[in-house]
Amino acid sequence: DTAVSQTPKYLVTQMGNDKSIKCEQNLGHDTMYWYKQDSKKFLKIMFSYNNKELIINETVPNRFSPKSPDKAHLNLHINSLELGDSAVYFCASSPKHGGKRNEQFFGPGTRLTVL
Amino acid sequence: AQTVTQSQPEMSVQEAETVTLSCTYDTSESDYYLFWYKQPPSRQMILVIRQEAYKQQNATENRFSVNFQKAAKSFSLKISDSQLGDAAMYFCAYRAYNNNDMRFGAGTRLTVKP
Repeated sequence: DTAVSQTPKYLVTQMGNDKSIKCEQNLGHDTMYWYKQDSKKFLKIMFSYNNKELIINETVPNRFSPKSPDKAHLNLHINSLELGDSAVYFCASSPKHGGKRNEQFFGPGTRLTVL
Repeated sequence: AQTVTQSQPEMSVQEAETVTLSCTYDTSESDYYLFWYKQPPSRQMILVIRQEAYKQQNATENRFSVNFQKAAKSFSLKISDSQLGDAAMYFCAYRAYNNNDMRFGAGTRLTVKP
């Protein structure tokens, strides 16, 4: 019973391609997130969505676009992939926006390699 | 902007011994949360322990405890009776009370020697 799941776990692709990473949570949470972990293990938030509304949008390239078909899903679509996009991408979810004990639960990560 | 600093890129500890991982942060907020996450080789991010800034008492979870010094903006993690399974990257993280913007430190790689 994986609470936050991501597919695929590994993704190898060529520069210039368009790819998507899917995320689903079965916790009934209102808010979902995408993080990027680079080769030095630095973890940085990219986006968060609350009830289909973008709350946080860090300075990521507009080639990255989060898409949320419903509250349980937040997919990450990447256009025109570049070498520097190679990283591990984590999806996470939390019960609500801000507030007390709003713990974030992480998915297993997707390792993206751009050749 | 809030920043989180972990000054120890790597630490090692002998099995059954105690180790302390350091974390400092910078914020102008008065109400916030601090976390320690563990990332083993499996990549999964696992919450180890959390601390609410308004609580003076240090959080404890079994062998894991924190030393929270609010005035010094310090939040160290102590692991007692270290086990081989504790070997992982450990990330300190900060979140202000009223938003979801979680800020992570650069991580400390912990090695446990048998």
